[in-house]
Amino acid sequence: DTAVSQTPKYLVTQMGNDKSIKCEQNLGHDTMYWYKQDSKKFLKIMFSYNNKELIINETVPNRFSPKSPDKAHLNLHINSLELGDSAVYFCASSQSGKSQYFGPGTRLTVL
Amino acid sequence: AQRVTQPEKLLSVFKGAPVELKCNYSYSGSPELFWYVQYSRQRLQLLLRHISRESIKGFTADLNKGETSFHLKKPFAQEEDSAMYYCALGPSGSARQLTFGSGTQLTVLP
Repeated sequence: DTAVSQTPKYLVTQMGNDKSIKCEQNLGHDTMYWYKQDSKKFLKIMFSYNNKELIINETVPNRFSPKSPDKAHLNLHINSLELGDSAVYFCASSQSGKSQYFGPGTRLTVL
Repeated sequence: AQRVTQPEKLLSVFKGAPVELKCNYSYSGSPELFWYVQYSRQRLQLLLRHISRESIKGFTADLNKGETSFHLKKPFAQEEDSAMYYCALGPSGSARQLTFGSGTQLTVLP
């Protein structure tokens, strides 16, 4: 009965590689988000999609590209990974501006 | 611009003592405030939303528009309250663009 799920939970990769993180929500929500939590636990919004359309695109490198195939999924693709991309990435969802529900996080380590 | 300030990065209290986690905000419109909690290596969970005026796990928070604050309080802290707490701000009626504070790591000592 997981509400917001992400895969993988852990991702270790070399610099320069391309990787994807998947997110799915089964809550029927219309809005999904990606957040980055850095090593100091600071949490920052990266993207938000409402009904498959991008509504928030904060200042992130264009190596990061979100893809929303349908309302229940929002995937994050990262090209040419850099050391500074190491962080925990959280997916979240909400319905019509109500409270956000978070996924378990994906811990990305770039070597 | 909207901004959330949590002045304490770390806070330690003894079990049974009262605890207050501070949150101040800056926003020109009508805000909606939230508290989220993240237990060790787990996902963020919504703890409180100011419009619902609930008490969850013994925690309460009151929006003070005059002082632009939304401090989180609990009269008797428990060891299981040890976690990272985030205050968040969004435009009224919309949680689509939440701005999070930098978080306060609460440790409740036995």
